[in-house]
Amino acid sequence: EAGVTQSPTHLIKTRGQQATLRCSPISGHTSVYWYQQALGLGLQFLLWYDEGEERNRGNFPPRFSGRQFPNYSSELNVNALELEDSALYLCASSLGTVRTEAFFGQGTRLTVV
Amino acid sequence: RKEVEQDPGPFNVPEGATVAFNCTYSNSASQSFFWYRQDCRKEPKLLMSVYSSGNEDGRFTAQLNRASQYISLLIRDSKLSDSATYLCAVNKVGYSTLTFGKGTMLLVSP
Repeated sequence: EAGVTQSPTHLIKTRGQQATLRCSPISGHTSVYWYQQALGLGLQFLLWYDEGEERNRGNFPPRFSGRQFPNYSSELNVNALELEDSALYLCASSLGTVRTEAFFGQGTRLTVV
Repeated sequence: RKEVEQDPGPFNVPEGATVAFNCTYSNSASQSFFWYRQDCRKEPKLLMSVYSSGNEDGRFTAQLNRASQYISLLIRDSKLSDSATYLCAVNKVGYSTLTFGKGTMLLVSP
């Protein structure tokens, strides 16, 4: 069974540009979570999508946004990129209930220059 | 107090040693708890869920202490391949989203 897949693996952007990151969840999972892991820092929760709706948002500015498609795949968009946005962006999926386990994709490493 | 706190380590242990990590959480209403393992520059991989009754998977044992609001991970007979960062995760109350600790680094040496 395929795990969570993310694309691209690496992305290099210039400050001020926009970045789009993609995630396909495990088959049967309806929830997708996005996390940011900057160098030397822990995982910071960004966004949670379930059944096509944004359910919860972390403490990030509005230029971090996303959506979830009918097939439960998801997109994270980061507008007006700043140097500090350079990080590993991780997507996880789960069945969406409180006690279910979440599984991560391999991440997209975003570098802003 | 941070939502989820871990000792950053690193914990340096020889092969064969037993090592234990603790993780404290601030919200007593939290309902689900997990341990993840993260290798350098890789994604976190789920190691085990932590149940109220405790659970064991081979050399790994996880415990939950609700009264003191901490979870623990015990690794017995450490292997070189156990070297990694161990992250604890706790659900945000009322949601399935997880809040992670910053992780504890384990280095197992020959």
